[in-house]
Amino acid sequence: EAGVAQSPRYKIIEKRQSVAFWCNPISGHATLYWYQQILGQGPKLLIQFQNNGVVDDSQLPKDRFSAERLKGVDSTLKIQPAKLEDSAVYLCASSLRINQPQHFGDGTRLSIL
Amino acid sequence: GQQVMQIPQYQHVQEGEDFTTYCNSSTTLSNIQWYKQRPGGHPVFLIQLVKSGEVKKQKRLTFQFGEAKKNSSLHITATQTTDVGTYFCAGPGGGSNYKLTFGKGTLLTVNP
Repeated sequence: EAGVAQSPRYKIIEKRQSVAFWCNPISGHATLYWYQQILGQGPKLLIQFQNNGVVDDSQLPKDRFSAERLKGVDSTLKIQPAKLEDSAVYLCASSLRINQPQHFGDGTRLSIL
Repeated sequence: GQQVMQIPQYQHVQEGEDFTTYCNSSTTLSNIQWYKQRPGGHPVFLIQLVKSGEVKKQKRLTFQFGEAKKNSSLHITATQTTDVGTYFCAGPGGGSNYKLTFGKGTLLTVNP
């Protein structure tokens, strides 16, 4: 089975610019997650979707971050405007259902100058 | 909010030595999951434990869930260089039964 696809793999932008990440989960997986992983730390959940509905976005900085999963399949995560502290790897994961094992994509490494 | 703590933060071993990492939660967990992340890679699911006192084995890896369902451990027997990576435990919490909170992980390095 094809894994979770993410793009781009790397992105370098200046602070205050905007950036968008794309994720295509494993086919048939209803639950999709976006995580932020700062170097030396575990992944931190930003937002979780069940089909096209948001299950949890309590840790998403909503003044600058937004995410959507309009058709319940692929998803985009946007940051606008970016801050220096947003430098991290952004991981997308999917699972068949909530509380099932999560399958991660390769992530997007974001550097803010 | 819920906290998931892992110790040690780092562990360096000689190939062939055993390795154990411990995970403690501030709240009772309905289940706990373990992931492995190779350097430069993404987390890969290893196992999920659900029952109190549960012990599961995968070849040289032994996973245990505590009786009180607040702690867990991962033990690797006779480490190999392929075991290098960061091992994360993760449990649902933060006021929900479905949002995973990851520990900071234990970075294992193996000297051949």
